[in-house]
Amino acid sequence: GEDVEQSLFLSVREGDSSVINCTYTDSSSTYLYWYKQEPGAGLQLLTYIFSNMDMKQDQRLTVLLNKKDKHLSLRIADTQTGDSAIYFCAEKGQGGKLIFGQGTELSVKP
Amino acid sequence: NAGVTQTPKFQVLKTGQSMTLQCAQDMNHEYMSWYRQDPGMGLRLIHYSVGAGITDQGEVPNGYNVSRSTTEDFPLRLLSAAPSQTSVYFCASSYGHVGTSGVNEQFFGPGTRLTVL
Repeated sequence: GEDVEQSLFLSVREGDSSVINCTYTDSSSTYLYWYKQEPGAGLQLLTYIFSNMDMKQDQRLTVLLNKKDKHLSLRIADTQTGDSAIYFCAEKGQGGKLIFGQGTELSVKP
Repeated sequence: NAGVTQTPKFQVLKTGQSMTLQCAQDMNHEYMSWYRQDPGMGLRLIHYSVGAGITDQGEVPNGYNVSRSTTEDFPLRLLSAAPSQTSVYFCASSYGHVGTSGVNEQFFGPGTRLTVL
């Protein structure tokens, strides 16, 4: 069935790079997404990548897509304390529904 | 635009009580959905609607009802609350159905934290 897997926690030091990984199962997904959830708030779309792309860069964010391994990653350069949040990977599943991963809680230590 | 609004922010219920979680959006979005968020499980889709008068079940619909009488509002009803329904509930909307072409960014409300004793 459809499944999106992420590790639950990541801790980095301020100024380091963060890499959050995700694996998915539906090879027909047209879009893959990264959503960010700040404490006490709803989710916000952070970035997305179309399935015919390998990489997308947006300022400090780099998304890498390996379709062969069904692996998606989000790299945040020069991580700041304001980047502390939960990051969700999501894919468009069968019937067009969004399938979310469990979320990775990123903790940035000064 | 207020975006997606949800009320209440917090609610405590006793087992067996019923209540309605309110959701409204002012972006004229056709697609609306309800998710629940539980630790270590991500977001799971409860019900969704592709337009006024049309609703369908998601992954975990049991114990919940929805209706969509207007484009703006999409309330979620708990018929007889159970402790297993303790969760954070998010309403979301998007311009198009998630299954249609395009990015179809979903906009989320701030959530309702529900505790059932």
